[in-house]
Amino acid sequence: DVKVTQSSRYLVKRTGEKVFLECVQDMDHENMFWYRQDPGLGLRLIYFSYDVKMKEKGDIPEGYSVSREKKERFSLILESASTNQTSMYLCASSLQGFYQPQHFGDGTRLSIL
Amino acid sequence: AQSVTQLGSHVSVSEGALVLLRCNYSSSVPPYLFWYVQYPNQGLQLLLKYTSAATLVKGINGFEAEFKKSETSFHLTKPSAHMSDAAEYFCAVRGSGNTPLVFGKGTRLSVIA
Repeated sequence: DVKVTQSSRYLVKRTGEKVFLECVQDMDHENMFWYRQDPGLGLRLIYFSYDVKMKEKGDIPEGYSVSREKKERFSLILESASTNQTSMYLCASSLQGFYQPQHFGDGTRLSIL
Repeated sequence: AQSVTQLGSHVSVSEGALVLLRCNYSSSVPPYLFWYVQYPNQGLQLLLKYTSAATLVKGINGFEAEFKKSETSFHLTKPSAHMSDAAEYFCAVRGSGNTPLVFGKGTRLSVIA
């Protein structure tokens, strides 16, 4: 089974802090994704990556950046956290080809105070 | 552009009753369609997928979905609801070109004893 592991289930940070969310997958998947999930808004794509060091903006990239230095790891960075970034963050991975099903981690519930 | 519409943000059924969750899609390419389930405080788990083989797709936990091209629909059904089916369900369609899956906003299923 594919395992997508997010480093923290719950995280509390302060406004203005630089926040790192880490995601690791163990199935040699080419594609990795970061979403945020908010009530009534469903999943919104922040960034995705189809190869090491490659990244593409999703629907809501503002205030975020990403890093993919190794194939198995995809990091989401909040450069200067703000309260409107309080949310559930979900990482996913898939085989090459965006028609492939995505496999999700358990999510990180991030609170910015 | 690809899009997914899930009719009803919240569906409530009695235990033992039929579950029907509706999904309509718009796609400019042959669609690949997916249903995911999300239990509280967890990530999304793949229930089933349609990839142009049989139009009736069976998934895990007794769920199935039927692809109807003429209606551009991919509704999810289960003959008899169980309390453990209470969760949020997401329909997704593959993106066009090199873009990721497009998710619906989700339907929360409640099961009443």
